[in-house]
Amino acid sequence: IAGITQAPTSQILAAGRRMTLRCTQDMRHNAMYWYRQDLGLGLRLIHYSNTAGTTGKGEVPDGYSVSRANTDDFPLTLASAVPSQTSVYFCASSEDPGTGYNEQFFGPGTRLTVL
Amino acid sequence: GQNIDQPTEMTATEGAIVQINCTYQTSGFNGLFWYQQHAGEAPTFLSYNVLDGLEEKGRFSSFLSRSKGYSYLLLKELQMKDSASYLCAVRDSNYQLIWGAGTKLIIKP
Repeated sequence: IAGITQAPTSQILAAGRRMTLRCTQDMRHNAMYWYRQDLGLGLRLIHYSNTAGTTGKGEVPDGYSVSRANTDDFPLTLASAVPSQTSVYFCASSEDPGTGYNEQFFGPGTRLTVL
Repeated sequence: GQNIDQPTEMTATEGAIVQINCTYQTSGFNGLFWYQQHAGEAPTFLSYNVLDGLEEKGRFSSFLSRSKGYSYLLLKELQMKDSASYLCAVRDSNYQLIWGAGTKLIIKP
């Protein structure tokens, strides 16, 4: 069982280019999340999905879009990359978005540099 | 606004005990999580508190006081492999996690 996989592992991207970060989980979790992690700051939620077919905006959604066509996949798209989107991106999932234990499991991350 | 505060960095000695504090102000409270993150890796779950008191799990314990907006993570019998960042996160009224910036723990022999 792989858990959560992300691709690519790292990427250098020219400003203005379009980029899709891939995330796949095999745990049949209902909820999935995209975070960015920047030095000195906590993980910040970009977008989330509580169940397949639904998505929501997090704390820092501008410049990013997501889709959740099925339970397993949750791609994150940067329509036109800017240098401030240089960051490490983590995808996460949890069995249920609500109360209770419901820990989030994280993928290995994608290190993105926008020049 | 929502805010979670943790010390930026702490240093401790192998075999000793260290306490990492976390204070929070959030819109609602639906549980507090502690995660461990080694450099260059993903965060991994350590503990969860939703009621006041101490939760013990092996060498790690976590305490919560909801009235004070305060939690701590206690690590006993420190090992070199415990060198990592420790992230405090609160689940708010929207059931989303609000994260602190993390505490980098340096273990010295």
